[in-house]
Amino acid sequence: GAGVSQSPRYKVAKRGQDVALRCDPISGHVSLFWYQQALGQGPEFLTYFQNEAQLDKSGLPSDRFFAERPEGSVSTLKIQRTQQEDSAVYLCASSYRAGTGHVQETQYFGPGTRLLVL
Amino acid sequence: KNEVEQSPQNLTAQEGEFITINCSYSVGISALHWLQQHPGGGIVSLFMLSSGKKKHGRLIATINIQEKHSSLHITASHPRDSAVYICAVLPIQGAQKLVFGQGTRLTINP
Repeated sequence: GAGVSQSPRYKVAKRGQDVALRCDPISGHVSLFWYQQALGQGPEFLTYFQNEAQLDKSGLPSDRFFAERPEGSVSTLKIQRTQQEDSAVYLCASSYRAGTGHVQETQYFGPGTRLLVL
Repeated sequence: KNEVEQSPQNLTAQEGEFITINCSYSVGISALHWLQQHPGGGIVSLFMLSSGKKKHGRLIATINIQEKHSSLHITASHPRDSAVYICAVLPIQGAQKLVFGQGTRLTINP
């Protein structure tokens, strides 16, 4: 079946502009993750959803970042008043089950959205 | 100090060479992932390990939980193996929050 998809694939924004990044997880996947990957670095955790519940948003760098998953499937990461330091690849991943406790589920990654803030 | 350290950061080799990428981590974990990232950003999960060794084709991943160390090996390397390889761990404390290494950029020349 289809994998995780993200849109847009590339986004150029002027500093101060608001942007919205979309993630379509694999159908039926309970867990959804957002990561931020700066150039030349490994990804860093932003936030995690289990169905529609946002269980962990400790990685969001500021209150300009907001994520939602209102119906437990598609998720949107919104960045308000973008700054140059927000330029990065934003990766979305999903996994089938909730993976409670020490049980780890394989995460399936989308292609990412490359955001450039000028 | 990062919780997950990879070495080397960059590796260039000739086609056919045996490749080893190392990952060391400083926290207790319940699982470790090896991921492959091609230019353009997409990430593919290669292995998920909690003990021992796994093999898939020309790729082999090992983990030593006591030493907090994992290695990814590529046998008979090929130019199409050129990519960034990322180690990520799931700390015992931290729910499903993966912690990533900075990646190893591998280039295989024909």
